[in-house]
Amino acid sequence: NAGVTQTPKFRILKIGQSMTLQCTQDMNHNYMYWYRQDPGMGLKLIYYSVGAGITDKGEVPNGYNVSRSTTEDFPLRLELAAPSQTSVYFCASSYYGWDEQYFGPGTRLTVT
Amino acid sequence: GQQVMQIPQYQHVQEGEDFTTYCNSSTTLSNIQWYKQRPGGHPVFLIQLVKSGEVKKQKRLTFQFGEAKKNSSLHITATQTTDVGTYFCAGQHSNYQLIWGAGTKLIIKP
Repeated sequence: NAGVTQTPKFRILKIGQSMTLQCTQDMNHNYMYWYRQDPGMGLKLIYYSVGAGITDKGEVPNGYNVSRSTTEDFPLRLELAAPSQTSVYFCASSYYGWDEQYFGPGTRLTVT
Repeated sequence: GQQVMQIPQYQHVQEGEDFTTYCNSSTTLSNIQWYKQRPGGHPVFLIQLVKSGEVKKQKRLTFQFGEAKKNSSLHITATQTTDVGTYFCAGQHSNYQLIWGAGTKLIIKP
């Protein structure tokens, strides 16, 4: 099992550009999550999904969109990138909502 | 809103000394999870505590969950260089969302 994979590893965006961060898990997990981690801080939940076709907002959803068309994939879309979105983005998954979460390696995004 | 406070932000120890990090929630938690993040890496699950007053051990690591299920601690005995990293607590309430502490960075002094 590859676990949770994320692409790209690094990306530099100009203000106003858009991009999609990819996340795939091969553990047949129902729950998937997108977090952002700012330097020296804990993780903030952006969006989560409890299964294919179902998504919901987390703590900091503004400026982001998600979709979950399959169990495996949970892409995160950034529209009109802003410097405040400079962060490390982690995707995670779990089988149940109260279970341990498995994290991908992260995407380091810089918006200039 | 719901918050999880974690202290201290940093702890410098000599190798072989003990390390402790504390978490406090503003509200009662259904469970608390602990994760470790190595520099440049991603969070890795360590343990989950569910019951009031629960104590769990993993080799040199001891985890406690308070009686009121609002606070938790992680204690490492006789730190080693492999323990370096940031330790996060993450509290869960009735929904699926984890509320993360800001982490405690363990730094081993040479």
